[in-house]
Amino acid sequence: QVHLQQSGAGLVRPSGTLSLTCDVSGGSISDTNWWSWVRQPPGKGLEWIGIIYHRGEVDDDGSANANYHPSLERRVTISVDTSKNRFFLKLTSLTAADTAVYYCARTNQQLADDSWGQGVLVTVSS
Amino acid sequence: DIQMTQSPSSLSASVGDTVTITCRASQRFASYLNWYQQKPGKAPSLLIYSVSRLQGGVPSRFSGAGSGPEFTLTITSLQPDDFATYYCQQTHSFPYSFGQGTKLEI
Repeated sequence: QVHLQQSGAGLVRPSGTLSLTCDVSGGSISDTNWWSWVRQPPGKGLEWIGIIYHRGEVDDDGSANANYHPSLERRVTISVDTSKNRFFLKLTSLTAADTAVYYCARTNQQLADDSWGQGVLVTVSS
Repeated sequence: DIQMTQSPSSLSASVGDTVTITCRASQRFASYLNWYQQKPGKAPSLLIYSVSRLQGGVPSRFSGAGSGPEFTLTITSLQPDDFATYYCQQTHSFPYSFGQGTKLEI
């Protein structure tokens, strides 16, 4: 049973950068799965941020293995460190609208998120 | 982009009732429709994937059906533990998207 453990700063200043880590245990990040990030503003619904294949953002032949929500793609990067069995979310140029609980998830071969991290509340405030 | 619209937004029911939540997609697709349950302060949990396949460990009183553009989640014989918020999600095409959620209340 794979387990996802999230870490990262909970308070970030406006215009700053959000950096979150998701550690994977109970399985290898290099298994044939995708890895995703989802967020949830306080009191609101789930918002899909993006997804990455275990090989990382770009394959050896230059083909992209990551996909981001168009509204965020100029500010977001998802990456993978297979040696440490973890993946990351970076979101730049933060505003108050980015305040949310951020979740990491494993997306399985049926393209469903079957394991989730515990969530981290990130507040954008000075 | 595919927009997912859930109805109703909220629903009141009693233990033992049967309820159905509907998710309508803005484009037609046949599969890659998932349902999640979320309780307050907790991460979502996968209930149904690929329209109608029950995730391991999920009680059989949960079932999914439909094909694009309309999909349904039905819960029979409601139990106290089922009162939560439910979300549909399409993973047919990027960007993936969720419905706005249905809050099931006692």
